[in-house]
Amino acid sequence: DAGITQSPRYKITETGRQVTLMCHQTWSHSYMFWYRQDLGHGLRLIYYSAAADITDKGEVPDGYVVSRSKTENFPLTLESATRSQTSVYFCASSPVTGELFFGEGSRLTVL
Amino acid sequence: DQQVKQNSPSLSVQEGRISILNCDYTNSMFDYFLWYKKYPAEGPTFLISISSIKDKNEDGRFTVFLNKSAKHLSLHIVPSQPGDSAVYFCAAYTSGTYKYIFGTGTRLKVLA
Repeated sequence: DAGITQSPRYKITETGRQVTLMCHQTWSHSYMFWYRQDLGHGLRLIYYSAAADITDKGEVPDGYVVSRSKTENFPLTLESATRSQTSVYFCASSPVTGELFFGEGSRLTVL
Repeated sequence: DQQVKQNSPSLSVQEGRISILNCDYTNSMFDYFLWYKKYPAEGPTFLISISSIKDKNEDGRFTVFLNKSAKHLSLHIVPSQPGDSAVYFCAAYTSGTYKYIFGTGTRLKVLA
């Protein structure tokens, strides 16, 4: 089925470990985004991408790395996880204009 | 620096009455605004949008109003239904950037 999928849905890791959250969309949307949702902060933009090989920082990019070698994939990597990165992460995609389509989220716990 | 603000963390409304959710923004370059609804354990889903060339947009029970001079938008839900109970986020971006900035959300509870 067409859509946007995130994996894993749940992940527990330890401080200092590298973690990669995957995002895959089947619509061939140009734009893709990573947000984190935290109580009191709402949804904050981490990184976004306008097309393959084009990425840009959002509001809270520190501690995260992204890549976009293919239009349909936009992985988010925490190179050395910290407890402050415990959050729910949402991937989203968008055609050139208009609304964002969100995945179901990945809940990450850093111990 | 919060560019999009939702100052009411929560709101309770009786079924059948009007729900009004508010959102303020500080960046005058924003020219497109959206509202999203989020249920627990799900991703946000699009509700309604408005561009800065309009001051009102309607879709069924949902109406969004934009007051550019006050940098304020609001979402009206009439009549409110228990299924509308969710967290509502407003978002904004500047055309050409597609850097969508979201507010902190308002939890709406519609009481039966």
